[in-house]
Amino acid sequence: DQQVKQNSPSLSVQEGRISILNCDYTNSMFDYFLWYKKYPAEGPTFLISISSIKDKNEDGRFTVFLNKSAKHLSLHIVPSQPGDSAVYFCALTGTGRRALTFGSGTRLQVQP
Amino acid sequence: DTAVSQTPKYLVTQMGNDKSIKCEQNLGHDTMYWYKQDSKKFLKIMFSYNNKELIINETVPNRFSPKSPDKAHLNLHINSLELGDSAVYFCASSRGLAGGITDTQYFGPGTRLTVL
Repeated sequence: DQQVKQNSPSLSVQEGRISILNCDYTNSMFDYFLWYKKYPAEGPTFLISISSIKDKNEDGRFTVFLNKSAKHLSLHIVPSQPGDSAVYFCALTGTGRRALTFGSGTRLQVQP
Repeated sequence: DTAVSQTPKYLVTQMGNDKSIKCEQNLGHDTMYWYKQDSKKFLKIMFSYNNKELIINETVPNRFSPKSPDKAHLNLHINSLELGDSAVYFCASSRGLAGGITDTQYFGPGTRLTVL
């Protein structure tokens, strides 16, 4: 009963190119969507978020897109840099939920 | 000046033992959480406390008991450890407890528990 799926466990891109990480969810009660980034031996750190009233949020090289009808969100990183190499988790929550529901993560490797 | 700290970072123990993991946050947040990252890499909520009051208690064996002596600390005590308890446990904190803008959570570095 996984409510949040990140179907690509890993992704490799060249430095300077675009990285696209995807996340699908099943529960339409989610209305706030976040991306966390995790380096080895560290905890996840907040990266960017979007609420359900928007379909796009941009912060520098990072853009999150939300398609509510498809229950799909994506994170675009452009241009990708070697320091972006990490595991990226999507995390979803909603009014009254009080905790985050995480996907299983996608390991991004940016090749110099 | 670590925001959310956990001790120990690694814990190796025998089945049947009792162990504790400590968590402290210096962000002045009201809400603290424990998550478990299982072998499939999902982070799943276990417990949440708001101002020392238990808010979330997911389906977790009662061998796991959280304790919050004050709102800056949330410790996790585990009795009678089992092989399946092996995982990485993350503590987190947030300013608010409602799902939404105030729910940006700050995580500790994790505690890797190995039960032999």
